[in-house]
Amino acid sequence: AQSVTQLGSHVSVSEGALVLLRCNYSSSVPPYLFWYVQYPNQGLQLLLKYTSAATLVKGINGFEAEFKKSETSFHLTKPSAHMSDAAEYFCAVSAGMNYGGSQGNLIFGKGTKLSVKP
Amino acid sequence: DAGITQSPRYKITETGRQVTLMCHQTWSHSYMFWYRQDLGHGLRLIYYSAAADITDKGEVPDGYVVSRSKTENFPLTLESATRSQTSVYFCASSARISGANVLTFGAGSRLTVL
Repeated sequence: AQSVTQLGSHVSVSEGALVLLRCNYSSSVPPYLFWYVQYPNQGLQLLLKYTSAATLVKGINGFEAEFKKSETSFHLTKPSAHMSDAAEYFCAVSAGMNYGGSQGNLIFGKGTKLSVKP
Repeated sequence: DAGITQSPRYKITETGRQVTLMCHQTWSHSYMFWYRQDLGHGLRLIYYSAAADITDKGEVPDGYVVSRSKTENFPLTLESATRSQTSVYFCASSARISGANVLTFGAGSRLTVL
């Protein structure tokens, strides 16, 4: 069965510091993996996705993530945090054959709230 | 405007009342989904639809009803609201982008059941 674990419900960094948000997944089939960002009172926006092509995936706003099969991880990084990066971030894995998984349904982690200190 | 529109954005109701949350998309995407977001749970799938008149249960369907008479609309109804249904509800549709089906979300409907 598919599942996602995000390590750390809250992460705080200083402006200009490295951002590292951790995500580990479990999947019975080759996974598609996603990172979404949610700003207050808004819906989720796609940051980036992994679809079995390059293992290092670049997304919007300077974020990137690396797929590591041996570690079943898909951590999100950004070299230098900006105040505008403060938001909640969700890692997600394709739901496999369950509940429309082949057509987009995802299993989401519980989210990591990123705070950026000036 | 193109995209997914949810209404109302905020709703307060009382236990036992019927509530309908609306979802409208302008892309004619076949698949649509309803999720609820609760603190500590992330997002959980309530119902999904493959096309007009084709709907199916997700992970947490109890207490909810959906319909899809037109491709662009996918309303979610709480027939008799309970306090445990206080949540933020997100509608999404999926489209094929660069080899994967990708979800695009509406802005959400925050429901409070008193």
